[in-house]
Amino acid sequence: GAVVSQHPSWVICKSGTSVKIECRSLDFQATTMFWYRQFPKQSLMLMATSNEGSKATYEQGVEKDKFLINHASLTLSTLTVTSAHPEDSSFYICSASPGVNTQYFGPGTRLTVL
Amino acid sequence: AQTVTQSQPEMSVQEAETVTLSCTYDTSESDYYLFWYKQPPSRQMILVIRQEAYKQQNATENRFSVNFQKAAKSFSLKISDSQLGDAAMYFCAYQGGSEKLVFGKGTKLTVNP
Repeated sequence: GAVVSQHPSWVICKSGTSVKIECRSLDFQATTMFWYRQFPKQSLMLMATSNEGSKATYEQGVEKDKFLINHASLTLSTLTVTSAHPEDSSFYICSASPGVNTQYFGPGTRLTVL
Repeated sequence: AQTVTQSQPEMSVQEAETVTLSCTYDTSESDYYLFWYKQPPSRQMILVIRQEAYKQQNATENRFSVNFQKAAKSFSLKISDSQLGDAAMYFCAYQGGSEKLVFGKGTKLTVNP
């Protein structure tokens, strides 16, 4: 149980385009979903927290107009990187919480912006 | 703000031996949770063990156990009978009332055959 999927697992895009990453909780309802960014050989950095049906809460320094988060249902959250640039290239990880103070992580999405 | 410190960037252990990974944290909250996550080369974050701060008994999960010292704000992970598949990055994490996870910088564990 407690499986979280992410799609796509790897995406390459051209600079200036937008990319959408999906995060789904497959066997539980997620009251809260989180989006992280991880640079090579570094720890996870929380970008934003989203609750179903409400606006996401972004961490300090994260551009909300650049990283659009939508949590449309209790099993789906999406992260859209708008007007992507090479510096946005990174590993993006989502997690989902069923509300028991435990987060289950997706397998991550590697974004490369050319 | 809460902080999590993992003072060992890298550790190594012989297969079948025991290794302990260190973690300390700083918080003014009295009710919180502590976690150890494993991140193998696939980069999938895997929950290893979870500890509720109000529980005095140390959590155990098969070969994994913790030494939780609340007063000292210490939360170490012991891996017994180490296996090659245990090789990974291990992250200690804190979760307080906000539900956000605060991660340490991680410890890279190498298991030597």
